[in-house]
Amino acid sequence: DAGVTQSPTHLIKTRGQQVTLRCSPKSGHDTVSWYQQALGQGPQFIFQYYEEEERQRGNFPDRFSGHQFPNYSSELNVNALLLGDSALYLCASSLMAGGETQYFGPGTRLLVL
Amino acid sequence: KQEVTQIPAALSVPEGENLVLNCSFTDSAIYNLQWFRQDPGKGLTSLLLIQSSQREQTSGRLNASLDKSSGRSTLYIAASQPGDSATYLCAPESGGSYIPTFGRGTSLIVHP
Repeated sequence: DAGVTQSPTHLIKTRGQQVTLRCSPKSGHDTVSWYQQALGQGPQFIFQYYEEEERQRGNFPDRFSGHQFPNYSSELNVNALLLGDSALYLCASSLMAGGETQYFGPGTRLLVL
Repeated sequence: KQEVTQIPAALSVPEGENLVLNCSFTDSAIYNLQWFRQDPGKGLTSLLLIQSSQREQTSGRLNASLDKSSGRSTLYIAASQPGDSATYLCAPESGGSYIPTFGRGTSLIVHP
């Protein structure tokens, strides 16, 4: 049973560019959440997708947007990249009705130059 | 807004010691609380999940306790080993969709 997978593993962009990160949830899960983890910090919640809609959102600007597909996979898009967007981006999946824990993927390391 | 504090921020110990990692949170209305391990540059591995109705959970050499009323959780690591070296993150879950709020973690080094 494959766990949560994310792609790419590493990415380098320049300021002002746009980036798309991808996540496939654990088999049987229907909910995907995205987190940003800056160096030396704990992960910060960006948003959560369920039934192809954004259900909850953390304190992140509109430059951060997402999408969930019918197969429950998800994308995180960041526009107009800033140096401060450099971080490890983590995806987590869960079952909305289960009230259970979230399972995290290995993350995508984004470096903005 | 939930705020999570972890003490100590860093810990360096010789192999074999019993360790105590502390976590405090400001909003006691939580559903569950998880402890995670994170190796450098890697994702999160769930170690223990304590449901709101429980007071502790154990897995091998790890034991986590939860006192919701005082907003505290403690992770005990028995007989530490070099392979335990990692950052340990505490994350109480609140809100309608079990969204965890993370502390900054305790960075642990266990040297032989």
